[in-house]
Amino acid sequence: GENVEQHPSTLSVQEGDSAVIKCTYSDSASNYFPWYKQELGKGPQLIIDIRSNVGEKKDQRIAVTLNKTAKHFSLHITETQPEDSAVYFCAAAGGTSYGKLTFGQGTILTVHP
Amino acid sequence: NAGVTQTPKFQVLKTGQSMTLQCAQDMNHNSMYWYRQDPGMGLRLIYYSASEGTTDKGEVPNGYNVSRLNKREFSLRLESAAPSQTSVYFCASSPIGGLRAFFGQGTRLTVV
Repeated sequence: GENVEQHPSTLSVQEGDSAVIKCTYSDSASNYFPWYKQELGKGPQLIIDIRSNVGEKKDQRIAVTLNKTAKHFSLHITETQPEDSAVYFCAAAGGTSYGKLTFGQGTILTVHP
Repeated sequence: NAGVTQTPKFQVLKTGQSMTLQCAQDMNHNSMYWYRQDPGMGLRLIYYSASEGTTDKGEVPNGYNVSRLNKREFSLRLESAAPSQTSVYFCASSPIGGLRAFFGQGTRLTVV
């Protein structure tokens, strides 16, 4: 089955800096890679996603890149703000187990004012 | 439009008791999921239902059972609760195959 590894587990940056979170996946058949943000006491919320036929996708201050050959994808947040502080999860789906959505272990991002 | 609704939000059980966590979505989604979240362990998939009428085991299915009652509802049952099942449980739904999944607000379960 699919296995998703996420690094780093914690990330601390100063306001205005960039933050990068990286994930690797094991199932070469996976073709959908979402990123979720979870604030304290709430359920995860989708912030951006990418499909395997695209190498990069941007939405304002956030972007995701995908390298299918190396089986890794990354989340980039530019000009970080204190409200970006949260837990971020990557995930993979569309692999050999149809319908299965597998998550990484999460990254706690702290943005210091 | 409520999205994904989980009940209850909080629950305390004694070891050996049983209970069912309820989940309902109003987005006409085909796929539904149950995850548990423990500190440092991320979101681990318990069971999922790719479409109405099907259910499959995820990463940590032992001690749980599920029922996809209809397209809207997907319940998770603990037959004999154990302290190791203390966790936050999240239900999610997706239009198809994990794409753009929406999560509920979670159920915080404590087994004493």
